[in-house]
Amino acid sequence: KQEVTQIPAALSVPEGENLVLNCSFTDSAIYNLQWFRQDPGKGLTSLLLIQSSQREQTSGRLNASLDKSSGRSTLYIAASQPGDSATYLCAVFDGTSYGKLTFGQGTILTVHP
Amino acid sequence: GAVVSQHPSRVICKSGTSVKIECRSLDFQATTMFWYRQFPKQSLMLMATSNEGSKATYEQGVEKDKFLINHASLTLSTLTVTSAHPEDSSFYICSAGVGSDTQYFGPGTRLTVL
Repeated sequence: KQEVTQIPAALSVPEGENLVLNCSFTDSAIYNLQWFRQDPGKGLTSLLLIQSSQREQTSGRLNASLDKSSGRSTLYIAASQPGDSATYLCAVFDGTSYGKLTFGQGTILTVHP
Repeated sequence: GAVVSQHPSRVICKSGTSVKIECRSLDFQATTMFWYRQFPKQSLMLMATSNEGSKATYEQGVEKDKFLINHASLTLSTLTVTSAHPEDSSFYICSAGVGSDTQYFGPGTRLTVL
């Protein structure tokens, strides 16, 4: 059974810092991995999706890497801003026909001015 | 594009009543819809997967008679929490799948059972 773990559970940083969020998964036979953002009481916003054949994806100040063989992914946020404060979730897709996602428990990020 | 809506966004009900939550894909047809449950400060747990016109597939430990899922069309799925109890209070999120590897998530519904 796939298990996804995110470290740290919570992170508080001053504005402007670069930071790294970690995600690990137990079964390396994944189809893709996705990073989401969730604001309090809201749904999920997809940030980056990395296919299993890819090593990284970039969008603006965000960069996600994937090391499938070791079962790890990182989300790098450059020059953090207070507006980045949210919960960040990673999820892996196992490639089955109906698209089941397995989520990590999330990292709560607080960026203070 | 690819917008998913949920209605209602919040609902408060008395213990023993049933509550229906709607999930709609507004500008696309979804081959599959998913229902998740999220407890405070915890991750999303998949409850069930449904395809239009067929019975939902429930995850282990999810009571199918308590959480009724109807997938009436390619743009609408409903989750009915029957005989709700306080322990059913949670944040319910749906997603709509396009193909096998892309899901678009709804904004969620906060259910509070008194």
